[in-house]
Amino acid sequence: GENVEQHPSTLSVQEGDSAVIKCTYSDSASNYFPWYKQELGKGPQLIIDIRSNVGEKKDQRIAVTLNKTAKHFSLHITETQPEDSAVYFCAAIGSGNTPLVFGKGTRLSVIA
Amino acid sequence: GAVVSQHPSRVICKSGTSVKIECRSLDFQATTMFWYRQFPKQSLMLMATSNEGSKATYEQGVEKDKFLINHASLTLSTLTVTSAHPEDSSFYICSAKWGGNYEQYFGPGTRLTVT
Repeated sequence: GENVEQHPSTLSVQEGDSAVIKCTYSDSASNYFPWYKQELGKGPQLIIDIRSNVGEKKDQRIAVTLNKTAKHFSLHITETQPEDSAVYFCAAIGSGNTPLVFGKGTRLSVIA
Repeated sequence: GAVVSQHPSRVICKSGTSVKIECRSLDFQATTMFWYRQFPKQSLMLMATSNEGSKATYEQGVEKDKFLINHASLTLSTLTVTSAHPEDSSFYICSAKWGGNYEQYFGPGTRLTVT
């Protein structure tokens, strides 16, 4: 089955700097890769996703890149703000009928 | 995005009692719902997958008689923790999707404390 590795587990950046979180996956059949943001005491919120036929996707300060050959994908947050502080989870899925497989999460702290 | 709600947001119950958690999709028909539990500072652990009108599929190690899941309609799934014990205390989160779409939308979670 699919296995998703996520790094780093914790990340601290200065406000205004960029943050990068990386994930690798094992199943070459996976073709959908979402990123979720979870604030303390809340459920995960889908912030961006990418499909295997696309190499990069951007939404304002957030971007995701995908390298299918290397089986890794990354989340990029530019101009970080204190409200970006949260736990971020990557995930992968092979088809619409199977559950998401999550990484272990990255705790991002943006220091003002 | 699609909206998923959960009720209650927090519940405290005594050991040995049962508690029911509701998960609703507010603006779409959820053909599939998932139930997760999450311990502090850990990732989400999938407990079961339920398709509307069918029996839930439980992950290995999850007791189906203890965690009863019902997905009777396209907008509602319930998780009942039966004979709860302190070790069942956790953050329970549901998610929902429709059809063969990939996107899953999560509820806000329910904090269960068993005393």
